[in-house]
Amino acid sequence: DIQMTQSPSSLSASVGDRVTITCQASQDIIKYLNWYQQKPGKAPKLLIYDISNLEIGVPSRFSGSGSGTQFTFTISSLQPEDIATYYCQQYDDLPQTFGQGTKVEIK
Amino acid sequence: EVHLEESGGGLVQPGGSLRLSCAASGFLFRSFWMTWVRQAPGKGLEWVANMDENGSEKYYVDSVEGRFIISRDNTRNTLYLQMNSLRAEDTAVYYCATDRGSGLDHWGQGTLVTVSS
Repeated sequence: DIQMTQSPSSLSASVGDRVTITCQASQDIIKYLNWYQQKPGKAPKLLIYDISNLEIGVPSRFSGSGSGTQFTFTISSLQPEDIATYYCQQYDDLPQTFGQGTKVEIK
Repeated sequence: EVHLEESGGGLVQPGGSLRLSCAASGFLFRSFWMTWVRQAPGKGLEWVANMDENGSEKYYVDSVEGRFIISRDNTRNTLYLQMNSLRAEDTAVYYCATDRGSGLDHWGQGTLVTVSS
């Protein structure tokens, strides 16, 4: 199985800060990397697909980048409504696998 | 509007069985791959199984292979997960989701399965 290593596991930042989360795959997953947001008590929501493509309706402060095995998720200006846990996911191979999640909190 | 609603969760003893259902509406169910993802209490997301549009392809994570069966009824717009020989480590919220090929883009609200004596 492809292992997805996400860091940090949690972070605390102020409103307006730039927030960056990294995700490393155990092998080359080409472009098959997605990012999800999960708010407490809710189902996950697909934010970014294929490394850097925003889902319709997702604010432009969210972005993704990377290639091969190293990927980055960025919130350019953290907002109170962004409090959530974020997960990367690979779908290059089955089973699809997720990172362990990054819990984002407001300082 | 796409809507997915899981049901069938509950408390079951170790070794028992449970069948989850996922009722779909608002889209052409028979044209989409479907997936089950679970989340143990306080833990991360784990992909469990998926199947193609007509049920001819099915895939499972190793930890449920041989115990869980994914199926669908396209006439009823419903996805199922038959869970047998349940273990404590199967305790989780189970979500169904549509898989459009580039991501799991619609999710249900989840149903809680608790395996305990």
